[in-house]
Amino acid sequence: QVQLQESGPGLVKPSETLSLTCTVSDGSIYDNYWSWIRQSPGKGLEWIGYIYYSGSSNYNPSLKSRVTMSIDTSKNQFSLKLTSVTAADTAVYYCASCGGDCFWFDPWGQGTLVTVSS
Amino acid sequence: DIVMTQSPDSLAVSLGERATINCKSSQSILYGSKNKNYLAWYQQKPGQPPKLLIYWASTRESGVPDRFSGSGSGTDFTLTISSLQAEDVAVYYCHQYYNNPVTFGGGTKVEIK
Repeated sequence: QVQLQESGPGLVKPSETLSLTCTVSDGSIYDNYWSWIRQSPGKGLEWIGYIYYSGSSNYNPSLKSRVTMSIDTSKNQFSLKLTSVTAADTAVYYCASCGGDCFWFDPWGQGTLVTVSS
Repeated sequence: DIVMTQSPDSLAVSLGERATINCKSSQSILYGSKNKNYLAWYQQKPGQPPKLLIYWASTRESGVPDRFSGSGSGTDFTLTISSLQAEDVAVYYCHQYYNNPVTFGGGTKVEIK
């Protein structure tokens, strides 16, 4: 089964940009849609968006103005950028593969905690 | 957005007994023309990511024990663990993928009594 691993800074300053990368292994990045989901004590699980190998993407309207996703097929990686972060963006960020036409999420990466603080 | 409401927030069940978790959506997530409910269930153990258990409301993911079952249609859904095992201690989440944005329930924590 495909495996996913998130990487990126664990601490981001308020108003700056959060940048994370997900590396896909034991599978092809051409095979599925790829999503970002975050989990915080206050807001629970929140879907951020998904991207396809072609570059087509779909974002949560609540975050759309601040989110950009990209994909690098040569490296089997996809990435998330979230701009103008605040403490409310502190969460564990997961990357995940989408099943079906990006319906359910399976599998998920282990997650990475990102804290927004000065 | 479709709001997913789970109940109870937590429950304690004896080993070998049945655990029942409810999930209610703020609008129907039954896609009539396909006769499919756009609902999934996940299990999350401490320090781990969520794991897919069930999709289309009642289809078990490969490798998931058959003591886990999903039922319901329209707006009301249930995840049942028929005989609770120690390894089932976790938080369980429902998830609708009928509408954008997809949304999750708040979770139900299952413990051993």
